Amino acid sequence: RKEVEQDPGPFNVPEGATVAFNCTYSNSASQSFFWYRQDCRKEPKLLMSVYSSGNEDGRFTAQLNRASQYISLLIRDSKLSDSATYLCVVLSNSGYALNFGKGTSLLVTP
Amino acid sequence: NAGVTQTPKFQVLKTGQSMTLQCAQDMNHNSMYWYRQDPGMGLRLIYYSASEGTTDKGEVPNGYNVSRLNKREFSLRLESAAPSQTSVYFCASSAVLGPYEQYFGPGTRLTVT
Repeated sequence: RKEVEQDPGPFNVPEGATVAFNCTYSNSASQSFFWYRQDCRKEPKLLMSVYSSGNEDGRFTAQLNRASQYISLLIRDSKLSDSATYLCVVLSNSGYALNFGKGTSLLVTP
Repeated sequence: NAGVTQTPKFQVLKTGQSMTLQCAQDMNHNSMYWYRQDPGMGLRLIYYSASEGTTDKGEVPNGYNVSRLNKREFSLRLESAAPSQTSVYFCASSAVLGPYEQYFGPGTRLTVT
């Protein structure tokens, strides 16, 4: 089983829609989780960290379910500018190496 | 506010040639990293440097060497390029090792023919 698994998509949604991505991770001892965003042919950028209690940043909500070992990202009121690949990232046991999922592609259409 | 810069942006090599990818950060970060990204794969760590003067192997170090020239600069060298090293290479930095945001450079697109 891969360390971090994501549905590659693509998810095609209309503007204003709500969309959710899930990601599963294999190492139950993992402690730190992130969502990064990567635009086409650009570098990844941190979108948000994922905390045990869940956290929200504007239209974006991240949740962590340790029992089932999955992380979710919810985007409300999608904008055209949300079109990107969303990378689920888990800090490895090493404490420094980030394990990246392959990414979920989102396309928001007018 | 440059952040992390990488040179070159694009490079084409022939099998067996060598080259060095350059990376510099101006955020006074202690830790730096080199990743490669291939289609259908997540980013994979090649080498990292926890702090100036130290370097360690990541997940896929074979065929690469690195140098932490000073606190700002971290270079990646391909001694004898192979087609399997065709990839996009990203340099990143973070304040220290650990669960902290990593800031990425714009990447180098390398093709080995």
